[in-house]
This record gives sequence, structure tokens and C-alpha cells, in this order.
Amino acid sequence: EPEVTQTPSHQVTQMGQEVILRCVPISNHLYFYWYRQILGQKVEFLVSFYNNEISEKSEIFDDQFSVERPDGSNFTLKIRSTKLEDSAMYFCASSFYEQYFGPGTRLTVT
Amino acid sequence: GDSVTQMEGPVTLSEEACLTINCTYTATGYPSLFWYVQYPGEGLQLLLKATKADDKGSNKGFEATYRKETTSFHLEKGSVQVSDSAVYFCALKGNNAGNMLTFGGGTRLMVKP
Repeated sequence: EPEVTQTPSHQVTQMGQEVILRCVPISNHLYFYWYRQILGQKVEFLVSFYNNEISEKSEIFDDQFSVERPDGSNFTLKIRSTKLEDSAMYFCASSFYEQYFGPGTRLTVT
Repeated sequence: GDSVTQMEGPVTLSEEACLTINCTYTATGYPSLFWYVQYPGEGLQLLLKATKADDKGSNKGFEATYRKETTSFHLEKGSVQVSDSAVYFCALKGNNAGNMLTFGGGTRLMVKP
């Protein structure tokens, strides 16, 4: 069964560093998403991407964040200058109708 | 804005007990409603969904009915198994909010043999 994959599974970085989280969505899906879950809190929507552009974004998705689909298969989330409060589990999802989620990347900012 | 409220966990049950996890929502119009499940170390998996009032979603013995009059979408299962131990998330997709999902806080279920 097709699935969304994410790499790495765990990323540790120092405050102020740039990180790129990678996702491979399901191949025939048209919409791509990033969500995050800070430990002990709700899963929060960050951004959705359709037809090579952002279709929606939340207040969390500020200028420090960017997304890209650099080729036909990958979908990336870049955080330019990480802060301690960016530590969270980041989930990628893709959809044709329902959203299918990847296993997540745990980002730890020290 | 849209919001989802779930009962806080953890919920601890013995095998074969009945399960109800409460979920209520606030949204304009007619949202679609979902339950996702997260097993340890894994991502969120869609468990079931309902797209209009009085619809019943069901999967793997779990059921939930879209109740517009009470703005609820409670998850139920008649007889839980140890393998059902996971975190369950209620979510909605609003009519006017594109495709983004709004999640509840999640409810951890622990089933003991």
C-alpha cells in the first residue's frame, strides 16, 4: 500500500541553524501539507501546497518557514533559523481526497 | 475559528470492555469529521470519517456518528483489544477553510489484557 515517507526520523540541531525536513508524498496525490505537534499539545496545521504554490498557511508559518517541491517526488519544509520553540514532531501529509500522514520527523533544537 | 475538543486521557480499559471517546466541535457550516489513530512510533492513520449530518463512519469495529444537533462525533467500540492501544485524534475539515484539518488534543487509550 502506498505511504508517505519522511526523513530523517529524528533531527537534532542547534538554535539558529537551518534545517530541511523531507517528505515523499503518495505519487498520485495533488495536495501536500505540513503539520506539527509540540510535545503534549495538539497537532497544528502549518501549510498546504497545491499546483506548485502555497494554498493556505497558518499564523505559525512565518517568514522563517518555507516549503518547496524541488522535483516530482520530494516535498520539503525548511526552517531558516531554528528556535528552541520549534522543537516538535513535524508531520507531512498528502491527499487526493483524504489526507494520509507520514510517520513524522522529531526535531530537537538545543 | 474552528475547534475540536476531546476528552482527556489516558483512558484505561480491560480487554473486551466498551469504549467511548467523546469529541465535540465548533465550526461554521457543515464540516467533514474524522478520527485518526496513532500507534506507538507511527504516523497518523485515518480510522474513519463522516461528511454530513447523521452519517456513520465505521472501520475495524470502531464507529462514530456525525451529530449536528449536538455538534459531536464520539468514537465507540463495543469490545476493545490490546492492539487498540494508541492515541486517537478527532479532527474536522471546515467548509470554508480549504483542506486544512483542525485536530483535537488526542486521547490515549490503554487496553490491558
